[in-house]
Amino acid sequence: EDQVTQSPEALRLQEGESSSLNCSYTVSGLRGLFWYRQDPGKGPEFLFTLYSAGEEKEKERLKATLTKKESFLHITAPKPEDSATYLCAVQLYNTDKLIFGTGTRLQVFP
Amino acid sequence: ETGVTQTPRHLVMGMTNKKSLKCEQHLGHNAMYWYKQSAKKPLELMFVYSLEERVENNSVPSRFSPECPNSSHLFLHLHTLQPEDSALYLCASSQGGKGEKLFFGSGTQLSVL
Repeated sequence: EDQVTQSPEALRLQEGESSSLNCSYTVSGLRGLFWYRQDPGKGPEFLFTLYSAGEEKEKERLKATLTKKESFLHITAPKPEDSATYLCAVQLYNTDKLIFGTGTRLQVFP
Repeated sequence: ETGVTQTPRHLVMGMTNKKSLKCEQHLGHNAMYWYKQSAKKPLELMFVYSLEERVENNSVPSRFSPECPNSSHLFLHLHTLQPEDSALYLCASSQGGKGEKLFFGSGTQLSVL
């Protein structure tokens, strides 16, 4: 069964304390892996797409990486404005279906 | 306005009511989606329209009825809902109908009493 699992469910960081969020997947075939950010009361906002193992993408304090089994979203020296829920989604190769994880709720304290 | 706008932002309805959710995209995209987001559950795809034609219906109960009159507008008509239908309903659009790089609206928070 195709599955996407995100961990941890919630993460509390001090401002400046770097960490990583994990998205592990078990799917029949990967077309792409997406990261989204969702603020309270808003819809998800697209961050990155990764297509193949070894690929990396960066945006400000965020860096996304991909292996054959999982993706990491590394947050370097986070700030309070990075607080949000981060969602991972995997697109299946044969059907183009998107499977979302349940997200990691990140809180960064000053 | 830019992006994807949804109205209303909040909706409370009884189980016998009929209401509609509205979504409008100003991005020139040709595909639109309805998603359901419940607490601690993954986003669930409900419907996909590509070039105004419904291309996916994910076993959604008939009490949810989508309508896509043109490539910029999408509606979700609701009738005789159940309390378990309470959730955040998100509209999204993309260029192409395959779910890549979705642009979401802010959603309608629905409560069914």
